[in-house]
Amino acid sequence: AQSVAQPEDQVNVAEGNPLTVKCTYSVSGNPYLFWYVQYPNRGLQFLLKYITGDNLVKGSYGFEAEFNKSQTSFHLKKPSALVSDSALYYCAVRQAGNTPLVFGKGTRLSVIA
Amino acid sequence: KAGVTQTPRYLIKTRGQQVTLSCSPISGHRSVSWYQQTPGQGLQFLFEYFSETQRNKGNFPGRFSGRQFSNSRSEMNVSTLELGDSALYLCASRPPGTVNTEAFFGQGTRLTVV
Repeated sequence: AQSVAQPEDQVNVAEGNPLTVKCTYSVSGNPYLFWYVQYPNRGLQFLLKYITGDNLVKGSYGFEAEFNKSQTSFHLKKPSALVSDSALYYCAVRQAGNTPLVFGKGTRLSVIA
Repeated sequence: KAGVTQTPRYLIKTRGQQVTLSCSPISGHRSVSWYQQTPGQGLQFLFEYFSETQRNKGNFPGRFSGRQFSNSRSEMNVSTLELGDSALYLCASRPPGTVNTEAFFGQGTRLTVV
């Protein structure tokens, strides 16, 4: 069965600095990887996905993620953090076939002015 | 285009009662999934329905059940509520197509069991 690990419960970064939110995964076969963001009292919003092709994926709000097959990782990055990026971030994976989308436990990002 | 709609937004129930939550997917979406979100466990998959059939099921007790109607609207039911069932329940729909399509989430139903 597929699984996702987000090793950090909390990430703190100063505004203007680069940010990284880590994610590693485990699947049988090729992974389909997703990042979502959740603001307080809201549902999840889709940020970006990796299906195939270029290992660097660009998404919404200036976020990008790098797929690394050898390390089974899909870290979320942004060159310059904003206070408004403070939220809960979820990494998710689906494997081939009609399998469910499985989420990590989430990482709370706090950007400090 | 309207998003995924979940009703009600908030519920307070007593232990032992049962509850039904509703989810209306985006028009044209036939896949509906349900998740339980708690601070300690994150997002846990409950079940997925496609064209009125349960396609996948997570590791939850039989007290949790669901169904999907011919118009793709879905309901989930929790019977004999326990305090630990207090959570945000999220519904997501996906457009028809391959496994690489992303899911669209509703704002959730906040269930509090007292």
